[in-house]
Amino acid sequence: GNSVTQMEGPVTLSEEAFLTINCTYTATGYPSLFWYVQYPGEGLQLLLKATKADDKGSNKGFEATYRKETTSFHLEKGSVQVSDSAVYFCALSGFAGASKIIFGSGTRLSIRP
Amino acid sequence: DGGITQSPKYLFRKEGQNVTLSCEQNLNHDAMYWYRQDPGQGLRLIYYSQIVNDFQKGDIAEGYSVSREKKESFPLTVTSAQKNPTAFYLCASSKPPPGQSTRGEQFFGPGTRLTVL
Repeated sequence: GNSVTQMEGPVTLSEEAFLTINCTYTATGYPSLFWYVQYPGEGLQLLLKATKADDKGSNKGFEATYRKETTSFHLEKGSVQVSDSAVYFCALSGFAGASKIIFGSGTRLSIRP
Repeated sequence: DGGITQSPKYLFRKEGQNVTLSCEQNLNHDAMYWYRQDPGQGLRLIYYSQIVNDFQKGDIAEGYSVSREKKESFPLTVTSAQKNPTAFYLCASSKPPPGQSTRGEQFFGPGTRLTVL
């Protein structure tokens, strides 16, 4: 079936460190891929997206590339800040025959000053 | 400003009572969704609606009910049949392109935290 698997957390890094959060997917058809971010006590916000293979989504210094050959959409940032501390969700939509989004289980990121 | 509003932000309920959570959007989106989030967990889909007067069960619909009488509104009722209703509830909306399944992103409200006393 269709699914999203993302790196388990929590992930703790020092400020200015390099970040990678892994995400792989299984889907029929040609899904769109997303990263959402959730700050404490709030709803989810779209961070970035990619709608076809080899697309790169980017926003606020975060990047992710849609890799169809490895069915992956890893989130990266070159230099994290304390304000990046949040929960990050990988998600996919638009797979064949469906009209909803499937979310990964989320990865909690904590950045130390 | 366009967006999704959920009210109230915090809600307390006694066991055995039904309670209704509000979700309103002014984005002119066709599709709306309700999710449940438990501490440290991901999102689980409760119900979704793609058009007015139509809705489908998600993965955990038991103990919940919804209505979609207006495009802008998608209230969720947590009934007394829901055995463990304490959770964070998120509403979302999207506007699928004509003829396609949901390829666009979903926009989320700020959430309602429900606590059963």
